[in-house]
Amino acid sequence: GAVVSQHPSWVICKSGTSVKIECRSLDFQATTMFWYRQFPKQSLMLMATSNEGSKATYEQGVEKDKFLINHASLTLSTLTVTSAHPEDSSFYICSVLYQHQETQYFGPGTRLLVL
Amino acid sequence: AQSVTQPDIHITVSEGASLELRCNYSYGATPYLFWYVQSPGQGLQLLLKYFSGDTLVQGIKGFEAEFKRSQSSFNLRKPSVHWSDAAEYFCAVVMGGSQGNLIFGKGTKLSVKP
Repeated sequence: GAVVSQHPSWVICKSGTSVKIECRSLDFQATTMFWYRQFPKQSLMLMATSNEGSKATYEQGVEKDKFLINHASLTLSTLTVTSAHPEDSSFYICSVLYQHQETQYFGPGTRLLVL
Repeated sequence: AQSVTQPDIHITVSEGASLELRCNYSYGATPYLFWYVQSPGQGLQLLLKYFSGDTLVQGIKGFEAEFKRSQSSFNLRKPSVHWSDAAEYFCAVVMGGSQGNLIFGKGTKLSVKP
């Protein structure tokens, strides 16, 4: 399967600051990446679909000005949580779509804690 | 509405015992079907997938799953569970060529007794 990395693996920040999370596809070029959010003991919730070279597509209820997504290259997508608040604390997971296999491969996740 | 159901929230099995995790989907056609496993604090790892063909698919770590069209099911099985299999298991589907958009079940937590 594809290898996906995320950085950082965990981050603690103060309320009001912005946090950037990187998602990298290490062994193939990914036109499409996905960003998910996972609350404790719950399933993954799709936040947005990130397409290289174009604007991300956000799911209903996800604030695009709050969660900025940039997919500037075929191996990197970033999620920036702007003006973070404690309710943004969560586990954020990215995935890359290996289109030839119609399969998503997931990163290890980033745990965000906003104080 | 299209959905994925994992009826069991939490299952406990003894080490060495067999395992079956249930998954049902609601969709008019046959979707692409996946099972992922998530260890605590980790991302998701693909165990196996079914697109077409032989309805019994083999995956990693000794897991297999069987697609049953008549029951809209894709249950995950393992003949002998190891303590390291304790994790959260997610069934997921891709409906009708939707650019790979996964719809997840709520997950089943597997605990393994020594």
